[in-house]
Amino acid sequence: DSGVTQTPKHLITATGQRVTLRCSPRSGDLSVYWYQQSLDQGLQFLIHYYNGEERAKGNILERFSAQQFPDLHSELNLSSLELGDSALYFCASSADYGYTFGSGTRLTVV
Amino acid sequence: GESVGLHLPTLSVQEGDNSIINCAYSNSASDYFIWYKQESGKGPQFIIDIRSNMDKRQGQRVTVLLNKTVKHLSLQIAATQPGDSAVYFCAETYDAGGTSYGKLTFGQGTILTVHP
Repeated sequence: DSGVTQTPKHLITATGQRVTLRCSPRSGDLSVYWYQQSLDQGLQFLIHYYNGEERAKGNILERFSAQQFPDLHSELNLSSLELGDSALYFCASSADYGYTFGSGTRLTVV
Repeated sequence: GESVGLHLPTLSVQEGDNSIINCAYSNSASDYFIWYKQESGKGPQFIIDIRSNMDKRQGQRVTVLLNKTVKHLSLQIAATQPGDSAVYFCAETYDAGGTSYGKLTFGQGTILTVHP
């Protein structure tokens, strides 16, 4: 157990739907990062939150959004889902340095 | 640049051999580098890290070498075991200020297969 908790582990949904992925960082870590890993793209950075504030955006689609709550957990919202959104979604948390990844959410869009 | 993941390089070794996995990084401003191991269906697992003020760091059975001149990292695994079989990624990042580091940018990954 890495200390970073992601739920759900698996999600199957239809095109056009909206889903929410949840991440609880390690205790004391203020930063949360979201990554998408698909078969043909490797690990792609989506967004970084630090203590509730957005710090950086990567290749995140406008259909996707995220937030970090006062208790530091984070949610990634994916809407108007397309088949190509099927991927593993990881979050990582960090303190001053050192990143710890969760076990991911496998999203399948059918 | 961003990870591209297509046609991952592969390295196949015999159990007990030493393995060397190489990585070229892209950002001259990066000052912190990490190697991760990822097994199928799991999240990346930290192996070893190195800061830009060092050129070598050793862990248990692993060594990371950093050559900033040519922006190159390598991971050496001694006495490779079948349990080391996985995809290995290098990642780079930079100090984003305050107490936060920036995003990790991953290399494309290398598939290591260890034969008994």
